[in-house]
Amino acid sequence: GQNIDQPTEMTATEGAIVQINCTYQTSGFNGLFWYQQHAGEAPTFLSYNVLDGLEEKGRFSSFLSRSKGYSYLLLKELQMKDSASYLCAVRDSNYQLIWGAGTKLIIKP
Amino acid sequence: DTGVSQDPRHKITKRGQNVTFRCDPISEHNRLYWYRQTLGQGPEFLTYFQNEAQLEKSRLLSDRFSAERPKGSFSTLEIQRTEQGDSAMYLCASSLGSSFSGANVLTFGAGSRLTVL
Repeated sequence: GQNIDQPTEMTATEGAIVQINCTYQTSGFNGLFWYQQHAGEAPTFLSYNVLDGLEEKGRFSSFLSRSKGYSYLLLKELQMKDSASYLCAVRDSNYQLIWGAGTKLIIKP
Repeated sequence: DTGVSQDPRHKITKRGQNVTFRCDPISEHNRLYWYRQTLGQGPEFLTYFQNEAQLEKSRLLSDRFSAERPKGSFSTLEIQRTEQGDSAMYLCASSLGSSFSGANVLTFGAGSRLTVL
């Protein structure tokens, strides 16, 4: 079967750095996405990786290793507004998005 | 453009009633998706349209569920004879793409929350 694993919940301190991991087992791979979802709101796109390596976008970076079936989302200089769920999704060989359950990130002052 | 709009935002209904949700995608987007999301879970794919053609349906989509996208613009998702297990957030998303290559980023609406009593 297809599976996306992420930690259920993480806690970090304002101003710090946090890394949210995602491991996947899917039938084929055509890209990995990270979305942010605040409680009661729509998911919003953060990043896309299709080749191995690091993609940096401001305070957020995303890394992919296809051989290991592994990605992480790195958030720097954490702000209170970063408290949200972070969803990892993989596009499989049928170009279908397979979603993880999300990681709830709690930022403390 | 105001993004993807969904209506209603909240719907409370009694078991056995029919409900219909509407989604207005970003106007230039040709692809439209319906997902279902329950608390603490990621979105579950329900169905997908390219223009007016419904190209794929999940096995999660029982015969009580039907979706349409007349004229390739807005879409409706109808649930007949609702059950308590249908209680969830129903998310619509749209994207622009002529093929499956590239990022094909989904833009989601705020969702329609259904509560079946």
